Amino acid sequence: EAGVTQFPSHSVIEKGQTVTLRCDPISGHDNLYWYRRVMGKEIKFLLHFVKESKQDESGMPNNRFLAERTGGTYSTLKVQPAELEDSGVYFCASSQLYSPLHFGNGTRLTVT
Amino acid sequence: AQSVTQLGSHVSVSEGALVLLRCNYSSSVPPYLFWYVQYPNQGLQLLLKYTTGATLVKGINGFEAEFKKSETSFHLTKPSAHMSDAAEYFCAVSDHGGTSYGKLTFGQGTILTVHP
Repeated sequence: EAGVTQFPSHSVIEKGQTVTLRCDPISGHDNLYWYRRVMGKEIKFLLHFVKESKQDESGMPNNRFLAERTGGTYSTLKVQPAELEDSGVYFCASSQLYSPLHFGNGTRLTVT
Repeated sequence: AQSVTQLGSHVSVSEGALVLLRCNYSSSVPPYLFWYVQYPNQGLQLLLKYTTGATLVKGINGFEAEFKKSETSFHLTKPSAHMSDAAEYFCAVSDHGGTSYGKLTFGQGTILTVHP
């Protein structure tokens, strides 16, 4: 089966610009998660979709971050406007209920 | 709130030597426990997990981990390191059941270096 796909793999933007990250989960996986690793820190949970609904968005840092999941398929994570502290690696993961997460390779975001 | 502590951000071993990566957790109830590995330029891959039952869990690539409730630990071991084991390893926990299963709390990661 195809794995979790994320793109772009790298993105370099200037402070104040907008960036949209995309995640394509494994087909049939209702659960989709976003995680982030800021340099030197641990990987942290951002939010969880079940199909197209946000189940838990308690990890979203602030209202500059907007996540959507169209029709319960792919998901996007938009950062607008980006700040320096948003730099890091953004991971997407998907799973079936009560099954381990399958992670994508991540998007490395650099805000200059 | 849950927390995970991985002792040692960097561990270096010789090829053929024992690998021991330490993980302790803090949780009000015994959580589900996971070890993930990340090879360079790749995503996280599940090595093994503990949910219920036998406390010694065997995973892929010869790794195993033992859940010790009294010590709140879930250390990862491998009897003989191989060069291909060089990677970053993450211990993680989640709450039991329901939609919290995939909401993981990670440790800070341990980079394993294997010397010839």
